[in-house]
Amino acid sequence: EVQLVQSGAEVKKPGESLKISCKTSGYRFTSYWIGWVRQMPGKGLEWLGIIDPRDSDTRYSPSFQGQVSISVDKSIGTAYLQWSSLKASDTAMYYCARRTSITSGFAFDFWGQGTMVIVSS
Amino acid sequence: DIQMTQSPSSVSASVGDRVTITCQASQDVSSWLAWFQQKPGKVPKLLIYGASSLQSGVPSRFSGSRSGTEFTLTISSLQPEDSAIYYCQQSNTFPYSFGQGTKLDIK
Repeated sequence: EVQLVQSGAEVKKPGESLKISCKTSGYRFTSYWIGWVRQMPGKGLEWLGIIDPRDSDTRYSPSFQGQVSISVDKSIGTAYLQWSSLKASDTAMYYCARRTSITSGFAFDFWGQGTMVIVSS
Repeated sequence: DIQMTQSPSSVSASVGDRVTITCQASQDVSSWLAWFQQKPGKVPKLLIYGASSLQSGVPSRFSGSRSGTEFTLTISSLQPEDSAIYYCQQSNTFPYSFGQGTKLDIK
């Protein structure tokens, strides 16, 4: 069974750093890209970025380039989303999702349960 | 970057109605278009990929189509459990992008 299990909710102060995780199981980790999606409270889905676990090739939305960092640890099948200096505007739910192969349209078929990040002084 | 524009922003319909949601891409995305359903407090769920292919386990009342850069999600006979927000997303070109969402309510 394919599963993506994200780390728990975080409450941080502005300026603090944070790294959240997305642990995968039930499939070959290096065969599927992992993407990250932001959803601010009461708002829509925003595509943040994506990484190829084989070689860590990473693509970011211009809106998030330089604001976050995506990485993987192949040895434990886990993807990460990291901030070096949080802002209040980073308060949101963050989802990781597995991208399917070309035969299935490169869609996000399996999603993590989401990690709520609250940034407040 | 490719912009995805959904219409309408919200729609209200009755059980049994046929409902159509449209997604317009700002440039060609071929058929690299997916539709997602998100219920309150829940994780988005993949409904349609490749513009018209039904994801496994999704009821057959959901269908998708493409005409050029315009994509359509159709629910043939609306059910109470279809109340949700629906998003389109292109995966033709990085950065991928979502539409702003369409809220579907049941009358």
